[in-house]
Amino acid sequence: KNQVEQSPQSLIILEGKNCTLQCNYTVSPFSNLRWYKQDTGRGPVSLTIMTFSENTKSNGRYTATLDADTKQSSLHITASQLSDSASYICVVSEDSGAGSYQLTFGKGTKLSVIP
Amino acid sequence: DAGVTQSPTHLIKTRGQHVTLRCSPISGHKSVSWYQQVLGQGPQFIFQYYEKEERGRGNFPDRFSARQFPNYSSELNVNALLLGDSALYLCASSLEGEVRTQYFGPGTRLLVL
Repeated sequence: KNQVEQSPQSLIILEGKNCTLQCNYTVSPFSNLRWYKQDTGRGPVSLTIMTFSENTKSNGRYTATLDADTKQSSLHITASQLSDSASYICVVSEDSGAGSYQLTFGKGTKLSVIP
Repeated sequence: DAGVTQSPTHLIKTRGQHVTLRCSPISGHKSVSWYQQVLGQGPQFIFQYYEKEERGRGNFPDRFSARQFPNYSSELNVNALLLGDSALYLCASSLEGEVRTQYFGPGTRLLVL
């Protein structure tokens, strides 16, 4: 069964500090992995998307890494800001063949940045 | 350009009632997917429609149904509402049938009393 596990479940950090969120998956065959930021009660917004051959992808203060061998990904947030407080969701796409893709969502990591 | 839009933003219903949620995809996008997100959980896939045809269905009861219109907008219908249907319902659109590059709407918050 395809699964996406995220850790930690929640995290509190001081403004200005860095943090790293983890995502482990068992989805196969793998197509791509995406990190979303979701503010409370809002729709997810894409941060990064990585395919099998990509190890690192940056988007401003967000840097995602992917190790396709160990099926692990991380999202590193640098110099956190209060506006970074949100849930971060890891989503892995499975290549079901014939142009069909299935998505498996993690439960997310709830990040709180405090002053 | 407008992103994915959903209506209504919030909705309160009672058990046994039915509800219709609406979604307008990004202009030019032909595929719409629906997700249910219970508080504290990741989104769960309900349906995907592409070119007005059902492309995929998640593990949801027959009380859930959807359709896509010629202008690619979509409706999600839920009959005989249960308390457990209370959730944020997300719509996502993508350019073609593939879902790897989906863009999400703001969601509709449904509360069933």
